[in-house]
Amino acid sequence: GEDVEQSLFLSVREGDSSVINCTYTDSSSTYLYWYKQEPGAGLQLLTYIFSNMDMKQDQRLTVLLNKKDKHLSLRIADTQTGDSAIYFCAERWTGTASKLTFGTGTRLQVTL
Amino acid sequence: DVKVTQSSRYLVKRTGEKVFLECVQDMDHENMFWYRQDPGLGLRLIYFSYDVKMKEKGDIPEGYSVSREKKERFSLILESASTNQTSMYLCASSPPDRGNQPQHFGDGTRLSIL
Repeated sequence: GEDVEQSLFLSVREGDSSVINCTYTDSSSTYLYWYKQEPGAGLQLLTYIFSNMDMKQDQRLTVLLNKKDKHLSLRIADTQTGDSAIYFCAERWTGTASKLTFGTGTRLQVTL
Repeated sequence: DVKVTQSSRYLVKRTGEKVFLECVQDMDHENMFWYRQDPGLGLRLIYFSYDVKMKEKGDIPEGYSVSREKKERFSLILESASTNQTSMYLCASSPPDRGNQPQHFGDGTRLSIL
């Protein structure tokens, strides 16, 4: 099957930028998503990018997509303690009943 | 907003019991999904359904079954629970596969099998 890989842990200081990286293997993916999971909760959709885009910005969030290298990143500007969570990237391709393949998740720890 | 509701946040059962996890969504979505989440493994798809009474195996269906008698409800069944099924279970739903249709998740059920 297709693999989506993420590093497991990232620690940043409050106010700095966080960059969470993701690599995927299926070049036919159409949409790529970032989800956030706070402690004890389900997954909340943060943002997404269509595969024909290189970049998408949404307030403090910037998504970069490098299709050639199959690399996706999520940058969080001015990281706050409320951003502490697990972040999952996920890829989707057409004709699969909206099935997603998720990465392993990156735990973001924000320190004061 | 889409609401996906899982009937229990925490559940403790014994080895060998038959366990039902229930999920209800209020947006008339065709697609529904069951995942389990384990540390370091991310989310793994157990089963999904794209219509009433339809079901498809995901990546790890062994030891599980599902039921979808009504569009809004998707049940996950552990036929004979085992300790290796202790996990966080997440339900999700989405509209049909047209354009960008992200999955919407419930809050999860943390299941412990003793």
